[in-house]
Amino acid sequence: NAGVMQNPRHLVRRRGQEARLRCSPMKGHSHVYWYRQLPEEGLKFMVYLQKENIIDESGMPKERFSAEFPKEGPSILRIQQVVRGDSAAYFCASSPLDRANYGYTFGSGTRLTVV
Amino acid sequence: AQSVSQHNHHVILSEAASLELGCNYSYGGTVNLFWYVQYPGQHLQLLLKYFSGDPLVKGIKGFEAEFIKSKFSFNLRKPSVQWSDTAEYFCAVMSPTGANNLFFGTGTRLTVIP
Repeated sequence: NAGVMQNPRHLVRRRGQEARLRCSPMKGHSHVYWYRQLPEEGLKFMVYLQKENIIDESGMPKERFSAEFPKEGPSILRIQQVVRGDSAAYFCASSPLDRANYGYTFGSGTRLTVV
Repeated sequence: AQSVSQHNHHVILSEAASLELGCNYSYGGTVNLFWYVQYPGQHLQLLLKYFSGDPLVKGIKGFEAEFIKSKFSFNLRKPSVQWSDTAEYFCAVMSPTGANNLFFGTGTRLTVIP
């Protein structure tokens, strides 16, 4: 039973380019969450998705960031026109329906570096 | 809104020393509590969790945590640390009846000196 799979592990982008981060949840998990970890800081919630629905995007920056979790395929976190301040580790987590009692399982993260 | 405070930013211990990492949360209702560990360059792994029942929770690798409701605390402990415990430790809280999102503290970096 594969865990939460994220790719790529490392991503380097020049300022102004687009970054696409992918996350495949654990088998049987229907909820996906994206977190951002800035250097020397904790994990900050970004967005919570179920299949084809954004449930809570209160942690997403208003511009340039978007997320989707289509019916088929992985969840995608998309950052348009990246800037240096977007450099961070982006972690995806997934949970089953009973998430309050189960907790989240995290992926290995994507480390985005903007040069 | 929920928030989680981890008082110690960086803790340095010698092997075999005892460990206690503080975690306090602010939320008036029922909460589920978690401790995650992140080894260098790796993803977060669940150490232990508390939902209900015995407030002393035992997790993997000899870690335990005690939920003290009156103090809004969920401190992590280990009687004798090893060099391999060097990692970052995150406390997290979730309201099972609320938005159900997991909120993290800023983390405590533990360095164990051989």
